[in-house]
Amino acid sequence: NAGVTQTPKFQVLKTGQSMTLQCAQDMNHNSMYWYRQDPGMGLRLIYYSASEGTTDKGEVPNGYNVSRLNKREFSLRLESAAPSQTSVYFCASRLGVITYEQYFGPGTRLTVT
Amino acid sequence: EDQVTQSPEALRLQEGESSSLNCSYTVSGLRGLFWYRQDPGKGPEFLFTLYSAGEEKEKERLKATLTKKESFLHITAPKPEDSATYLCAVSTEGGTSYGKLTFGQGTILTVHP
Repeated sequence: NAGVTQTPKFQVLKTGQSMTLQCAQDMNHNSMYWYRQDPGMGLRLIYYSASEGTTDKGEVPNGYNVSRLNKREFSLRLESAAPSQTSVYFCASRLGVITYEQYFGPGTRLTVT
Repeated sequence: EDQVTQSPEALRLQEGESSSLNCSYTVSGLRGLFWYRQDPGKGPEFLFTLYSAGEEKEKERLKATLTKKESFLHITAPKPEDSATYLCAVSTEGGTSYGKLTFGQGTILTVHP
């Protein structure tokens, strides 16, 4: 059981470039989330998918798009990267129904120059 | 708006010196309070879920407790390997079921040998 996996681990982009962060979980969880973690700001929700086939905005969605490809995979896309998107990105999943705890992946450290 | 405040921001202990971390919250309709451990460069690792006031959970040297306004993470006889950032989060679903977590800023714990 790998849990939640994320690729890549590190990425450097130039302003205006695009990229997709990949996330997969093998726990048969229903809900998946994307967070960003910045010093002094804590973890903030970007987008989430309550169940396969649905996605919705979190607290800080501007500049991002997501795709719930299937039950296992949830990707985050930066269409035109900006320096303000320099951050560590975490994907998480939750079984759903009556459980609330989320399980996190190892993160992607993104730098936009 | 849901708020989670953790204190202290940083805590330095000698090995074997027991102490507590605090997480106070202001929310409407608490569904669960969660403690996570985060090591540098890693994703948050789930530790405990607490659902109602009076509930307690234990794992090795850690014990989490919950009241109507705050939670404590008690660390008994800590070891250097307990050094990490400890995050507190709450889930308040309201009328939705997407399971948003609101995180505190974390407490950085350092245990010296």
